[in-house]
Amino acid sequence: EADIYQTPRYLVIGTGKKITLECSQTMGHDKMYWYQQDPGMELHLIHYSYGVNSTEKGDLSSESTVSRIRTEHFPLTLESARPSHTSQYLCATMLSEGYTFGSGTRLTVV
Amino acid sequence: SQQGEEDPQALSIQEGENATMNCSYKTSINNLQWYRQNSGRGLVHLILIRSNEREKHSGRLRVTLDTSKKSSSLLITASRAADTASYFCATDTGTASKLTFGTGTRLQVTL
Repeated sequence: EADIYQTPRYLVIGTGKKITLECSQTMGHDKMYWYQQDPGMELHLIHYSYGVNSTEKGDLSSESTVSRIRTEHFPLTLESARPSHTSQYLCATMLSEGYTFGSGTRLTVV
Repeated sequence: SQQGEEDPQALSIQEGENATMNCSYKTSINNLQWYRQNSGRGLVHLILIRSNEREKHSGRLRVTLDTSKKSSSLLITASRAADTASYFCATDTGTASKLTFGTGTRLQVTL
């Protein structure tokens, strides 16, 4: 079973700051995903990757960017945070029978 | 637009009762999966049913899939307080193994 870790768990930051949300996994899986979820709502795919140097935008347009320089890491960056970016961000990796999710980062931009 | 929609949006039952949640989707799928989310944390994979399967069991969970109606149901038997969570269906259409999630059902199991 994959272990997948997200940091920080909670982040409160001021408007205009640059932030990076970390996601790492220990099982060497190629496929990784970022979802955005507002409280009590469905998940929306914002980025995904098939492996090193592979990144694609998801179904929901997002001002964030991602990188995949190493298999283990799939960080998400916001160059200039805004209150509209306040949400929960969930990272996942794919196993044969489904996704394994991290615990998420709850971002609040004030 | 949403691929999956679930009903009911919220369900409250007593411990020991069965809980049934339904999911409808719009396009052809490779498989459909169900996930549980506790208190807004990460989702936990429960069960996967492939498009050529009609029913699947895992412990107290029973999932059905009707591809002609583009619908699925999740039954939790003999519910427990620990089953209190939000439940999401997710469809895999085979495009890049991306999952599209439904709107979720919030289940409350009371003692």
